[in-house]
Amino acid sequence: GAVVSQHPSRVICKSGTSVKIECRSLDFQATTMFWYRQFPKQSLMLMATSNEGSKATYEQGVEKDKFLINHASLTLSTLTVTSAHPEDSSFYICSARHPGQNSYEQYFGPGTRLTVT
Amino acid sequence: GQQLNQSPQSMFIQEGEDVSMNCTSSSIFNTWLWYKQDPGEGPVLLIALYKAGELTSNGRLTAQFGITRKDSFLNISASIPSDVGIYFCAGQLRSGTYKYIFGTGTRLKVLA
Repeated sequence: GAVVSQHPSRVICKSGTSVKIECRSLDFQATTMFWYRQFPKQSLMLMATSNEGSKATYEQGVEKDKFLINHASLTLSTLTVTSAHPEDSSFYICSARHPGQNSYEQYFGPGTRLTVT
Repeated sequence: GQQLNQSPQSMFIQEGEDVSMNCTSSSIFNTWLWYKQDPGEGPVLLIALYKAGELTSNGRLTAQFGITRKDSFLNISASIPSDVGIYFCAGQLRSGTYKYIFGTGTRLKVLA
């Protein structure tokens, strides 16, 4: 149990275009999902907390108009990088909070490698 | 953003050796999670710790929640080549928020 998927796994886009990344919890319902960004050989940096049915909560320094988050159902959160630029190239990973007894545990998706040319 | 200090930053060990790594902070944490990440993949949850002083094992892995609540330790016994990867600790600062701060990572390489 506790499987999280992400799509796509890799995406290359041109500067100025928008890219949508999907995060799905496959075998559990997640009221809370998280979006992280990871640069090469660095740790994970939390970008935002995605809450089902309400607005996402963004971390300080993360532009909410650039990184649009939608959590329309208990199994799906999407991150849209709008007007992408080369500096947005990174590894984006989502996680989902598992409900129930161990609700403090987070399970990660496999990540999405975004390259903006 | 805020990060936890993790040490060592990297280590090379021989197969069969035991490994120790730790995570420290000046802040108090409510929960600690330990993850392993392979290149190009998402982190995989190894162990979760919920109480100060708690010692929990998962196979050859053992982790402890420091008594001061400001640190945590992960030990790997009898390392094998597939233990290669990056190990991250993650600490939950405040209960109820479910947000975690991640450590800087320990890169482990096992020599056969």
